[in-house]
Amino acid sequence: DAGVTQSPTHLIKTRGQQVTLRCSPKSGHDTVSWYQQALGQGPQFIFQYYEEEERQRGNFPDRFSGHQFPNYSSELNVNALLLGDSALYLCASSPRELGYLYEQYFGPGTRLTVT
Amino acid sequence: DAKTTQPNSMESNEEEPVHLPCNHSTISGTDYIHWYRQLPSQGPEYVIHGLTSNVNNRMASLAIAEDRKSSTLILHRATLRDAAVYYCILRDRDDKIIFGKGTRLHILP
Repeated sequence: DAGVTQSPTHLIKTRGQQVTLRCSPKSGHDTVSWYQQALGQGPQFIFQYYEEEERQRGNFPDRFSGHQFPNYSSELNVNALLLGDSALYLCASSPRELGYLYEQYFGPGTRLTVT
Repeated sequence: DAKTTQPNSMESNEEEPVHLPCNHSTISGTDYIHWYRQLPSQGPEYVIHGLTSNVNNRMASLAIAEDRKSSTLILHRATLRDAAVYYCILRDRDDKIIFGKGTRLHILP
């Protein structure tokens, strides 16, 4: 089992551009959550997807959007990039049923740098 | 906002036990206490979780106060590989995880 995988590992973009990050959940998991982690800070919850719908959202602007596919994989899209969007973006997966009782498995993250 | 309070950093000697404290005075009856840790250049990894009773697993022990307003993560014999940021988190039925800043644990050889 490969666990949670994310791509790409690193990415450099320019202000105003758009970016798409990808995540494949751990086998058997149907729920995907995305987090943003700025340098020296704890991860901040962006949103969670289940059954191809956004179920919960943190305090992030509409420039952050996502998608979940029938195979449970997910994408995070960020439009109109700002310098402040530079961060490590983490994907985590878990089983939906009674998910709060179980651990979330995190991927290694995608390091996004906006110049 | 995170509902837990942890010290910013702690130090411990290698091969000695480590007790990482966490305060969660506003915990509700349905909140589970979860601990994650983040090693350098990696995503967070699950350590342990509990509701009311103390819990043990292969990585650590979790001691929960009787009033549940605080808990302690216990690493029985710290190694250099345990140097990481440790996050204490409350999770309820809405399932999302709200991280605080955590405790950075330094292990001295």
